[in-house]
Amino acid sequence: GENVEQHPSTLSVQEGDSAVIKCTYSDSASNYFPWYKQELGKGPQLIIDIRSNVGEKKDQRIAVTLNKTAKHFSLHITETQPEDSAVYFCAASGGNYQLIWGAGTKLIIKP
Amino acid sequence: DARVTQTPRHKVTEMGQEVTMRCQPILGHNTVFWYRQTMMQGLELLAYFRNRAPLDDSGMPKDRFSAEMPDATLATLKIQPSEPRDSAVYFCASGKDRTHNEQFFGPGTRLTVL
Repeated sequence: GENVEQHPSTLSVQEGDSAVIKCTYSDSASNYFPWYKQELGKGPQLIIDIRSNVGEKKDQRIAVTLNKTAKHFSLHITETQPEDSAVYFCAASGGNYQLIWGAGTKLIIKP
Repeated sequence: DARVTQTPRHKVTEMGQEVTMRCQPILGHNTVFWYRQTMMQGLELLAYFRNRAPLDDSGMPKDRFSAEMPDATLATLKIQPSEPRDSAVYFCASGKDRTHNEQFFGPGTRLTVL
């Protein structure tokens, strides 16, 4: 079955710098790749997603890139701010309702 | 604004007791997911429903866990008997019936089994 690996498990960056989180997946049939942000004490919330017919997608300070050949996708956050501190999860889906989740990345923004 | 609600938010119980967690999906959503989150295992899918029918509960320990949707506005997850290793945060999420639907998560139930 599908397996999603996420790195790093913890990422600490200076406020204002960029952060990059990477995920790889195993099932070449996967065609939907969302990213969720989980703040302390809350449930995960979708922040951006990408489908397999698109290589890159941007929404203000966040962007996601997809390389289907290499089977990896990445989340990029530019000009990081304190409110970006959270746990970020990547996931992959092959067309059914189920998402296969990465293990999560704890992003720490240092003032 | 539309949100997934979960009750209780916190539950402390003793080993062997029955625990029931409830979820009210967003009105109009017809897929419901139950997840368990621990520090060690991340997000584990326990079960999911479409139009109130269980589609997959392979992630759920069958001997003690059960999940149901008595109606479209209520999903339940029951543990009987509970064990200390069940201590975790349990999330419910709902979504609309189309491929690649966004999952909207509730605030979770933090369960502690002593």
